[in-house]
Amino acid sequence: DQQVKQNSPSLSVQEGRISILNCDYTNSMFDYFLWYKKYPAEGPTFLISISSIKDKNEDGRFTVFLNKSAKHLSLHIVPSQPGDSAVYFCAASVGWDMRFGAGTRLTVKP
Amino acid sequence: DAGVIQSPRHEVTEMGQEVTLRCKPISGHDYLFWYRQTMMRGLELLIYFNNNVPIDDSGMPEDRFSAKMPNASFSTLKIQPSEPRDSAVYFCASRPGTGVLTDTQYFGPGTRLTVL
Repeated sequence: DQQVKQNSPSLSVQEGRISILNCDYTNSMFDYFLWYKKYPAEGPTFLISISSIKDKNEDGRFTVFLNKSAKHLSLHIVPSQPGDSAVYFCAASVGWDMRFGAGTRLTVKP
Repeated sequence: DAGVIQSPRHEVTEMGQEVTLRCKPISGHDYLFWYRQTMMRGLELLIYFNNNVPIDDSGMPEDRFSAKMPNASFSTLKIQPSEPRDSAVYFCASRPGTGVLTDTQYFGPGTRLTVL
């Protein structure tokens, strides 16, 4: 069963605009959430994370929002840059157990 | 540190053949994970080890798949016999057992497996 879902397989935005990637989870036991970024022919790399005790975490152009009641998190990238074009994986974990979504391919057009 | 190392980067084989994928985790990391990435299912956890001991292999699709970790610096994922539906990118990841960002996994570059 898919405990972490990314319902949008792809997203296209214009350079300079905001990119919003969404993720939903079903297991209320998850207490730590992460976003990974993946370029072609490379492994995913850690981007940003948030603990369940927070509802927002910001790192430069990247902000992750967590809505525990809705079991929803989102990644905002502003402003978007062509170099942000990649596949973004949402992940949720409790202890050792980390589950990934299917990924969203972001394309930022110049 | 060179990061997580996987070999080979690409593997093309024929149905029925044995395939062995290799992984060297980051030194000092206590946990090692094997994932499979497909278009349909994204990143699936196959198995993970803690201090070289397999802890959960419930994600291994069938008995044709097996994984070992004979020591802290080496792990293998074997498929025997291989089938076309096994074609995917296989990632190995490791993470520290304690310290900051223990929930952050560090991924290798992956092995792209094609079974004809």
